[in-house]
Amino acid sequence: AQSVSQHNHHVILSEAASLELGCNYSYGGTVNLFWYVQYPGQHLQLLLKYFSGDPLVKGIKGFEAEFIKSKFSFNLRKPSVQWSDTAEYFCAVNAPRAGNNRKLIWGLGTSLAVNP
Amino acid sequence: EAQVTQNPRYLITVTGKKLTVTCSQNMNHEYMSWYRQDPGLGLRQIYYSMNVEVTDKGDVPEGYKVSRKEKRNFPLILESPSPNQTSLYFCASSLARDRAYNEQFFGPGTRLTVL
Repeated sequence: AQSVSQHNHHVILSEAASLELGCNYSYGGTVNLFWYVQYPGQHLQLLLKYFSGDPLVKGIKGFEAEFIKSKFSFNLRKPSVQWSDTAEYFCAVNAPRAGNNRKLIWGLGTSLAVNP
Repeated sequence: EAQVTQNPRYLITVTGKKLTVTCSQNMNHEYMSWYRQDPGLGLRQIYYSMNVEVTDKGDVPEGYKVSRKEKRNFPLILESPSPNQTSLYFCASSLARDRAYNEQFFGPGTRLTVL
């Protein structure tokens, strides 16, 4: 069965530190990749997505992610975090299969706390 | 404003008392889905719907029912709630374009407590 692994469950950083959150998936075929963010008390919002083309994807709020097919990875990065980036981050993968190409497989999430 | 709405946002109920959580979207999306979010377990899909009158089970459908009589609405029904259904519930919708997958738009969440 397909799965998505987010290696870091809890990350604590100081403002201006660089961020990299790991995401690996276990499907060898065509994939669509997503990072969602959930700010405290809010619903999930899309940060960025990769469908095809340039494997380096830029999203909102200065986030970017790089798709490395050979490593089955889609790590999220930000060069300098802010206190307002404190949130939970979810990686999700769409691995199309017959009859349900809209199913998302979710990682368990990474909780990021940024100290001012 | 394009959005997914859920009601109620908070609900405390007792075991066995039937309840319905409504979900509505105004984006003309074909695909709608229900998730529950629990600490340490991430998001788990309960049911989804590819279009009107088309619904299917997700990963954790036990104890839940859904219906899709209209494109915009996708209510979640708990016929006989139990304490293990205490959770945060999210409704989501997305466009359905052939084989391409599109991002899901999420509702604000419904925090359900079953005593």
